[in-house]
Amino acid sequence: NAGVTQTPKFQVLKTGQSMTLQCAQDMNHEYMSWYRQDPGMGLRLIHYSVGAGITDQGEVPNGYNVSRSTTEDFPLRLLSAAPSQTSVYFCASSYDLGSSYNEQFFGPGTRLTVL
Amino acid sequence: AQTVTQSQPEMSVQEAETVTLSCTYDTSESDYYLFWYKQPPSRQMILVIRQEAYKQQNATENRFSVNFQKAAKSFSLKISDSQLGDAAMYFCAYRILQGGSEKLVFGKGTKLTVNP
Repeated sequence: NAGVTQTPKFQVLKTGQSMTLQCAQDMNHEYMSWYRQDPGMGLRLIHYSVGAGITDQGEVPNGYNVSRSTTEDFPLRLLSAAPSQTSVYFCASSYDLGSSYNEQFFGPGTRLTVL
Repeated sequence: AQTVTQSQPEMSVQEAETVTLSCTYDTSESDYYLFWYKQPPSRQMILVIRQEAYKQQNATENRFSVNFQKAAKSFSLKISDSQLGDAAMYFCAYRILQGGSEKLVFGKGTKLTVNP
């Protein structure tokens, strides 16, 4: 298993540009989520999905869109990048909510810089 | 609001010695799980240890153990026989089920330095 994969590893954008951060997992996990990590802030939840076709907002959703057309993929879209979105982005996945001992598996992260 | 507080932004320890990282949390939930994650310079988030809130016995994983005090809402991590490879950021987190979704709430992290 490749686990959770993210592309790209690094990205530089100009203000106003759009882009999609890709996330895929091959563990047949139902639950997937996106976090951002800023210095001194820990990880904060952006959006999450409990299964294909179902998404919802986390703690800091503004400026981001998500969709979940398949179990495997959960892309994160920035429609109009802003310098405040400069961060490291992590995708994570886990078994469905019925699992009582759930562990979230994290991807390697994407470092995004918005100029 | 659910919060996780790690009061030590940075800690250091001598190789082979023991260090304890502090974590307190605030939740009104009775059923939850607690985790410690390690993030080395590679950025990869690695699960170190986990604890179910309904279990009184403290979890251990080799050199890593926790001191879970449910009433005090405290969940500290003890690293014994520290190794150079233990140097990393350590994040405390708890998991709750809320409104049909799962949520991990993270602390701001503690940077651990291991001195040879």
